[in-house]
Amino acid sequence: DAKTTQPTSMDCAEGRAANLPCNHSTISGNEYVYWYRQIHSQGPQYIIHGLKNNETNEMASLIITEDRKSSTLILPHATLRDTAVYYCISKEDQGGKLIFGQGTELSVKP
Amino acid sequence: DVKVTQSSRYLVKRTGEKVFLECVQDMDHENMFWYRQDPGLGLRLIYFSYDVKMKEKGDIPEGYSVSREKKERFSLILESASTNQTSMYLCASSLPGQLAKNIQYFGAGTRLSVL
Repeated sequence: DAKTTQPTSMDCAEGRAANLPCNHSTISGNEYVYWYRQIHSQGPQYIIHGLKNNETNEMASLIITEDRKSSTLILPHATLRDTAVYYCISKEDQGGKLIFGQGTELSVKP
Repeated sequence: DVKVTQSSRYLVKRTGEKVFLECVQDMDHENMFWYRQDPGLGLRLIYFSYDVKMKEKGDIPEGYSVSREKKERFSLILESASTNQTSMYLCASSLPGQLAKNIQYFGAGTRLSVL
């Protein structure tokens, strides 16, 4: 599994877009990028995943660079309820173990 | 929506007690997982199961056992609780398949304190 690097913390104003970067420079061709988040005192929540193409769902958008060495999770209109730790995970599709790093603590402020 | 329910949010037990943590999912998922989460250590996989009566050790199975008698239920057992098992325990489930098994749905967690 590729090692991922994320900023420790970020702030975002309520209603603005939150852009959370992730570096996965050692990613291999078969490895997907997954994003989860964990709101305080809750279990992790799956957000989105991608391999090469940009992806969008009802929660967020995922932009993956052409060389696949980095990606950005975009919350288009952040709300206070989006305050959480966001985890970027890169792994091959083998086994079920998820490896969560330290993640980015996003604080959405009024 | 997938619902993964853990039987307790908070538990306090004594050293040496046998402890049962229960997890139930309502989406007919084949895969179920038990993790523990500790500050600075992230999530660590204890055990997982790909089917009824099947179990596989994760990274830290020592001191734990599991039971999967029904598809929807996955139990974590601490045979003789110790203080170093004080932690947040998280249960998760997923569908099978190369991609789907990495899309896991988590319960709210059980915060266990062993005194």
